[in-house]
Amino acid sequence: KQEVTQIPAALSVPEGENLVLNCSFTDSAIYNLQWFRQDPGKGLTSLLLIQSSQREQTSGRLNASLDKSSGRSTLYIAASQPGDSATYLCAPRGRGSARQLTFGSGTQLTVLP
Amino acid sequence: EAGVAQSPRYKIIEKRQSVAFWCNPISGHATLYWYQQILGQGPKLLIQFQNNGVVDDSQLPKDRFSAERLKGVDSTLKIQPAKLEDSAVYLCAMGQGENEQFFGPGTRLTVL
Repeated sequence: KQEVTQIPAALSVPEGENLVLNCSFTDSAIYNLQWFRQDPGKGLTSLLLIQSSQREQTSGRLNASLDKSSGRSTLYIAASQPGDSATYLCAPRGRGSARQLTFGSGTQLTVLP
Repeated sequence: EAGVAQSPRYKIIEKRQSVAFWCNPISGHATLYWYQQILGQGPKLLIQFQNNGVVDDSQLPKDRFSAERLKGVDSTLKIQPAKLEDSAVYLCAMGQGENEQFFGPGTRLTVL
């Protein structure tokens, strides 16, 4: 059974800092991995999808890396802004017949102006 | 949230009552998911549909939860009777194969 851990659980940084969010997973036989953002009281917004054959995926100030063999992914946010404040969730997709996402508990990010 | 509508957005009920949630995808996707998200945790999959059929409902508490997908489009999730521990956000998501999943805004359920 896949287990996903996200560290740290919460993070507070001043505006403008570059930061890294970590995600580890126990079963490295994944199909892909998706990073989401969740604002309070809202659903999940997809940020990046990184395939198992890829090592990196970039979108604007966001960069996700994947090291499948070690069961790790990181989300790098450059030049953080107060609008980046949210909970960030990673979810690897398994290779079973259902190919489901398994979510971590997320990292709650606060960017202070 | 684009492409997936959910209703109601909020619901408060007393334990042992029944409740139903609706998911209305705006754009057509073959796969539909219902997740339960308890405060402070990530979403947990309850049930996955592929068109009209159930792909996986292994984590659905079938003694009280039920779900159906009509004509491969809209879906309902029902809880009967509700328990205190059912208080959570219920999220509907759509996907196409192994591509990205897109989530609705969720329904926040409070059971008193």
